[in-house]
Amino acid sequence: GENVEQHPSTLSVQEGDSAVIKCTYSDSASNYFPWYKQELGKGPQLIIDIRSNVGEKKDQRIAVTLNKTAKHFSLHITETQPEDSAVYFCAREGFKTIFGAGTRLFVKA
Amino acid sequence: EPEVTQTPSHQVTQMGQEVILRCVPISNHLYFYWYRQILGQKVEFLVSFYNNEISEKSEIFDDQFSVERPDGSNFTLKIRSTKLEDSAMYFCASTIQRQAKNTEAFFGQGTRLTVV
Repeated sequence: GENVEQHPSTLSVQEGDSAVIKCTYSDSASNYFPWYKQELGKGPQLIIDIRSNVGEKKDQRIAVTLNKTAKHFSLHITETQPEDSAVYFCAREGFKTIFGAGTRLFVKA
Repeated sequence: EPEVTQTPSHQVTQMGQEVILRCVPISNHLYFYWYRQILGQKVEFLVSFYNNEISEKSEIFDDQFSVERPDGSNFTLKIRSTKLEDSAMYFCASTIQRQAKNTEAFFGQGTRLTVV
């Protein structure tokens, strides 16, 4: 199948706490897993991605982990800030991008 | 930084009318895409386009939809006879390679289509 399952749908954290969003996929041929951040009224913007030959990737406060055997990947945001509040989409790229349903992250100051 | 630009940002149209949504992909990109996002829902793939023809389309992309690259810079999505359920944000994206080659897709800001 092509679906990407994403959880949770809504996440509320206190500023400074960590946030974790998880996704699972079913297509074992997938090799590329991007994460997009969508702010209100804007298009999705890539924030981090991971390829299948890598288990973990980090970029400052954002990290992504991939478990190809279990077919799941996760986004980790540490030291959250109010400007991290947005909708986050995981995706898998085969011939076309398949997006998860999105997680609305609220960071409370 | 290069970006994908879309016009208009907001389009209101009467049911049954034709609309054309316009996109200017990044200049050296070769693959172009349209996605749709109904309010509060996830982004859904509509169609991919390469070398002046459709590469793949989803079940959403029925006969009411068409795409075109009329010149070297524009990429358009036409909806022939709009329905209320076509109301959504439409995003254009482009990649330098086919997305199966693990490349980043750059998205435009979107066009909000409202069918009344």
